[in-house]
Amino acid sequence: DAGVTQSPTHLIKTRGQQVTLRCSSQSGHNTVSWYQQVLGQGPQFIFQYYEKEERGRGNFPDRFSARQFPNYSSELNVNALLLGDSALYLCASSSEGQGLKEQYFGPGTRLTVT
Amino acid sequence: LAKTTQPISMDSYEGQEVNITCSHNNIATNDYITWYQQFPSQGPRFIIQGYKTKVTNEVASLFIPADRKSSTLSLPRVSLSDTAVYYCLVGDRQAGTALIFGKGTTLSVSS
Repeated sequence: DAGVTQSPTHLIKTRGQQVTLRCSSQSGHNTVSWYQQVLGQGPQFIFQYYEKEERGRGNFPDRFSARQFPNYSSELNVNALLLGDSALYLCASSSEGQGLKEQYFGPGTRLTVT
Repeated sequence: LAKTTQPISMDSYEGQEVNITCSHNNIATNDYITWYQQFPSQGPRFIIQGYKTKVTNEVASLFIPADRKSSTLSLPRVSLSDTAVYYCLVGDRQAGTALIFGKGTTLSVSS
């Protein structure tokens, strides 16, 4: 099992463009969460999906959207990129009922908006 | 909003014991206390979790007083590789909810 993987590793986009980030969850996990981490800050919760349904949403604008696929992988989409969207985007997978403990994070995607 | 308060940074030397205290005055009855470690450009990694008294695993100990308004992560004999950001989180173990991170504590270990 490769654990949680994310692609791409790095990405450079221009203001106004759209971006799609991908996450493959760990085998056996049915819950995926997305976080944004700006330099010097802790990760900020964006979305959580459980069994392909959105279960939670953080305080992010509608430019951010996500979905989970039948194989439990997930995509995060960001439209109309702003300079402030530059950050490390982290995906974490877990199993239902594991709560805080068993959240396994991927290495992240470093997004730079110019 | 994060429900915890931690020191922004701490310094230590190799071989010393490091204790990082976290305040969580509004902790709920069913909340667990969980610590994560994060190295630069990597995702956070689970270290330890506890509900009350003391929990110990192969890398750390977690001390929780009876009132549960604070907790202390103890790292025995730190090494240079323990230099990282440490996050204290509280939440319902059964909820399967997202993690709410604060700013964490940056631990710098020197030789």
